[in-house]
Amino acid sequence: EPEVTQTPSHQVTQMGQEVILRCVPISNHLYFYWYRQILGQKVEFLVSFYNNEISEKSEIFDDQFSVERPDGSNFTLKIRSTKLEDSAMYFCASQLRTEAFFGQGTRLTVV
Amino acid sequence: KNEVEQSPQNLTAQEGEFITINCSYSVGISALHWLQQHPGGGIVSLFMLSSGKKKHGRLIATINIQEKHSSLHITASHPRDSAVYICAVPYSTNTGKLIFGQGTTLQVKP
Repeated sequence: EPEVTQTPSHQVTQMGQEVILRCVPISNHLYFYWYRQILGQKVEFLVSFYNNEISEKSEIFDDQFSVERPDGSNFTLKIRSTKLEDSAMYFCASQLRTEAFFGQGTRLTVV
Repeated sequence: KNEVEQSPQNLTAQEGEFITINCSYSVGISALHWLQQHPGGGIVSLFMLSSGKKKHGRLIATINIQEKHSSLHITASHPRDSAVYICAVPYSTNTGKLIFGQGTTLQVKP
């Protein structure tokens, strides 16, 4: 069965450092998403990506965040200067039509 | 904008019990997702359904589009079913981004 893979599974970083979270979505999918879940809270939408550009972003997705699909397969989320409050589980999802497929997530811990 | 409510928030059951988790949403949708999140945090997609009923092993998901309500049932529950179960629906009718319920934490005791 096709799957979405995310790396790393866990990343610890110092405040102010840049991190890149990586996702390999399902190859023929068209829509890609990043979500995050702060510990104890609901999963929340960050950004959607279609046709090699951002199609929608949430208020959370400020200038510290960026997404890219640099080589047509990987889909990355970059946080330029991490803050303590960026500590969360980050999930990538890809969709062809209505069904979303989720990666296992990257747990980001900012210290 | 869709709103999603799940109930109950927490559920403790004895092994073997039949379990029901409910999800209500406010805006008509094309599909609803049921997800499972284990203590490590990873999310696994259980079902995507747009009408009727789906079954996978001991898990059954139903949806009533008119009433904007879905249920996830677990038959013959087992301690390994202990997890957080989350329902998710499209934010609105013209977007694929999802809005998530707060999750139901299930603990099944042996």
